[in-house]
Amino acid sequence: DTAVSQTPKYLVTQMGNDKSIKCEQNLGHDTMYWYKQDSKKFLKIMFSYNNKELIINETVPNRFSPKSPDKAHLNLHINSLELGDSAVYFCASSPAGTGTSYEQYFGPGTRLTVT
Amino acid sequence: AQSVTQPDIHITVSEGASLELRCNYSYGATPYLFWYVQSPGQGLQLLLKYFSGDTLVQGIKGFEAEFKRSQSSFNLRKPSVHWSDAAEYFCAVGARTNAGKSTFGDGTTLTVKP
Repeated sequence: DTAVSQTPKYLVTQMGNDKSIKCEQNLGHDTMYWYKQDSKKFLKIMFSYNNKELIINETVPNRFSPKSPDKAHLNLHINSLELGDSAVYFCASSPAGTGTSYEQYFGPGTRLTVT
Repeated sequence: AQSVTQPDIHITVSEGASLELRCNYSYGATPYLFWYVQSPGQGLQLLLKYFSGDTLVQGIKGFEAEFKRSQSSFNLRKPSVHWSDAAEYFCAVGARTNAGKSTFGDGTTLTVKP
C-alpha cells in the first residue's frame, strides 16, 4: 500500500484553467503539507495542515486554495492557472502533530505543466 | 528563522569512492535535522534523522551523518558509493511544533562515474 499518494501524476493544462490535485496518506499522521518544487529543484513549502486545521500558509497567491476534508486527505485547488505555476507539487505527511517525531513522508509528486 | 545551506551544488564521485555532502544550518534552539534523497522522477525519501543523543546517526542505504553543534553542521557520508546513489540530496532543519515545519536546503546533485 502506498503511504502517500497523489493524483494525477501528470497534469497538462492551459492558462486560465482551474485544476485540482488530490493527496491521501494512510500513515495515520495528523500533519500534511503541500510543497512546490521548481525547475531548479528548489523545494518550497506552501501549506501545512494539522488535523484539518491550517497551520502554515506561506506567501502563496490566493489562487491556491488547500482543503482538508479529513486528516488523511489534503487537496490543492488552483484557480486561473499561470505559466509560472508550472512545477512539481509534492504532498507530504508527518507525525509532527503528536510531538514525538517530525520527519516527513513524501508523495510521488504531480508534474503540472501550464501552456 | 531557520535556514539550511548546502554549499555544493553538484558533486561527482567515482563508484566505490567515499562521499561526503555538506550541510550547515541556522536554528535558534536544538535542531531536528534530516537528510532526504530524491531519485529522478520520484518524491523525497528520508535517509536519516537527528533528534537528540548520539551525534553520529545511521540511516538507510549505508548512509550516516554526524551532528556537530560547534560547527552547525550535519554532513552526510557514505564509505563506498554505488551507481544507484546518483540522485538529489536535501538537508533539512525542522521545528518542534505541531506544524513540524522543515526548511530545506537547495540540494546537492550527486553524479556517480563508473
